[in-house]
Amino acid sequence: GAVVSQHPSWVICKSGTSVKIECRSLDFQATTMFWYRQFPKQSLMLMATSNEGSKATYEQGVEKDKFLINHASLTLSTLTVTSAHPEDSSFYICSARTGTASYEQYFGPGTRLTVT
Amino acid sequence: SQQGEEDPQALSIQEGENATMNCSYKTSINNLQWYRQNSGRGLVHLILIRSNEREKHSGRLRVTLDTSKKSSSLLITASRAADTASYFCATDAYSGAGSYQLTFGKGTKLSVIP
Repeated sequence: GAVVSQHPSWVICKSGTSVKIECRSLDFQATTMFWYRQFPKQSLMLMATSNEGSKATYEQGVEKDKFLINHASLTLSTLTVTSAHPEDSSFYICSARTGTASYEQYFGPGTRLTVT
Repeated sequence: SQQGEEDPQALSIQEGENATMNCSYKTSINNLQWYRQNSGRGLVHLILIRSNEREKHSGRLRVTLDTSKKSSSLLITASRAADTASYFCATDAYSGAGSYQLTFGKGTKLSVIP
């Protein structure tokens, strides 16, 4: 099956620094990628949707200047958490689809971010 | 919001018993999917049921979908301790931004006691 990888799997950073998380589709081309955030004991909340080569569409309440998403190629999307604060500590999960109408959505293993 | 609601929020059963989790949603969907997540880990896709299907089976899993009631259920038969996890339903629908997207319910935390 299709595989989505994320790097790093966990990261600890100091408040005020920026952190970049990479999401790669390993054996398929991802025309659409999604970023989710999950707080402890809660569900996944969609942060943004991005199509290759175009700007990401952010969900209501998600600061686009704080969570920078770049979908530079059909196999790579990055999420940069800028000027991170402790409240940004969360589990970030990326996901990818092979086409806009595809039923199949594949998930990465997640990245645990801890901001101290 | 399309986010589904699952019930119960938490379920504790003895090994060997069946576990039933329900999911309700609000708008039209393309399909509905169920996922499992072990604590602190990534998602595992369990089963997908399309909007024109009413029931689907996969091993010990049985999923039903009632689009008239906008609800789905996941039944796990003969539960095992290894089934202990959080279970999420996710509705797949057109986002209006040129793509389909999954929206997750709040989840049911299942504990299977050996």
